[in-house]
Amino acid sequence: KQEVTQIPAALSVPEGENLVLNCSFTDSAIYNLQWFRQDPGKGLTSLLLIQSSQREQTSGRLNASLDKSSGRSTLYIAASQPGDSATYLCAVSGQSGGYQKVTFGIGTKLQVIP
Amino acid sequence: EAQVTQNPRYLITVTGKKLTVTCSQNMNHEYMSWYRQDPGLGLRQIYYSMNVEVTDKGDVPEGYKVSRKEKRNFPLILESPSPNQTSLYFCASSLSPEGASGYEQYFGPGTRLTVT
Repeated sequence: KQEVTQIPAALSVPEGENLVLNCSFTDSAIYNLQWFRQDPGKGLTSLLLIQSSQREQTSGRLNASLDKSSGRSTLYIAASQPGDSATYLCAVSGQSGGYQKVTFGIGTKLQVIP
Repeated sequence: EAQVTQNPRYLITVTGKKLTVTCSQNMNHEYMSWYRQDPGLGLRQIYYSMNVEVTDKGDVPEGYKVSRKEKRNFPLILESPSPNQTSLYFCASSLSPEGASGYEQYFGPGTRLTVT
């Protein structure tokens, strides 16, 4: 059974700092890994999608890496801003028990202090 | 605009009163799924559908039903809601894994359900 763990559960940093969020998963047989952002009481916004054959993806100040063999992904946020404050979720998709399964981590709650 | 819509956004109901939460996508996606999100448990998959008339259980299907009669719609049905189904529900859609964009999921805005 796939398990996804995100560390840390919460993080508070001053504005301008670079930071790294971690995601680990137990089953390396995945199709892809996706990072989402969720604002309080809101839906999920897709940030980056990394296919299983890729090592990293970049979008603006965000960079996500994937090491499938070790079951790890990191989301790097450069020059953090107060508007980055949100919960960041990692989700892996793959085949499990004959069906398409998506497993989410519980998330990292980020607070960027002005 | 490409989007996934859900209705209603908020719903308060009583135990045992059947309800349906609708989900619709305009991206011609084959794959659709329902999740519930609970504090400390994260998002858990309830049901998913690979295409029209093809549905299967996720991690937490008990107490829920779904149907996929049209490609764009994937309603979630609670035949006899109970208080433990109080949660935030999300519908999502994506192309199949074989699609050009892989498996990127697009989420609806969520439906907050309270069962008293």
